[in-house]
Amino acid sequence: AQSVTQLDSQVPVFEEAPVELRCNYSSSVSVYLFWYVQYPNQGLQLLLKYLSGSTLVESINGFEAEFNKSQTSFHLRKPSVHISDTAEYFCAVSPTGGYQKVTFGTGTKLQVIP
Amino acid sequence: DVKVTQSSRYLVKRTGEKVFLECVQDMDHENMFWYRQDPGLGLRLIYFSYDVKMKEKGDIPEGYSVSREKKERFSLILESASTNQTSMYLCASSFSGRGGTDTQYFGPGTRLTVL
Repeated sequence: AQSVTQLDSQVPVFEEAPVELRCNYSSSVSVYLFWYVQYPNQGLQLLLKYLSGSTLVESINGFEAEFNKSQTSFHLRKPSVHISDTAEYFCAVSPTGGYQKVTFGTGTKLQVIP
Repeated sequence: DVKVTQSSRYLVKRTGEKVFLECVQDMDHENMFWYRQDPGLGLRLIYFSYDVKMKEKGDIPEGYSVSREKKERFSLILESASTNQTSMYLCASSFSGRGGTDTQYFGPGTRLTVL
């Protein structure tokens, strides 16, 4: 079984400031890691994922996340946020073997302040 | 683009009613999922299906059932709706899915209110 912890339920940040959304996971097996984003009144969509290889993964809109196995973390960062980044962000994990069962964290609402 | 559609965006039902939530995907995905989303609890898996007529219980299956008669359609059934089933329901689908590498594609959600 696996679990995901997102300690920050809300993160307010000023426009153009950097942001880090924290994610820690627990699992007895190897996992794949994901960040999904949910814009207001929409379903979730994949932001980025770590499967293997380089521990630093990037999205097309400037977010990046680094897999840290020793700290069991997969924090999401962006050096300069925009108003359009206002959304709820979900960290998720899935075991590398067997059928896909994804466990989601409780979400972090990012509020970008003009 | 993958498209996952859900039959209703908003639904209001009375306690004890039988409720059907429908989900359709157009990308020939093997896997389909039903989640409920509640503030502070994130997404919790209700049921998933990895093939037609196959289903697996998720973390919170009590009070729900599912049906998958065709590959593109996955239905969630509330046999006797209760007020504690008031929630946002999200459907998702993914290709293949063995090993967990595949992206899940989500529908827009159905906000169900049970009075």
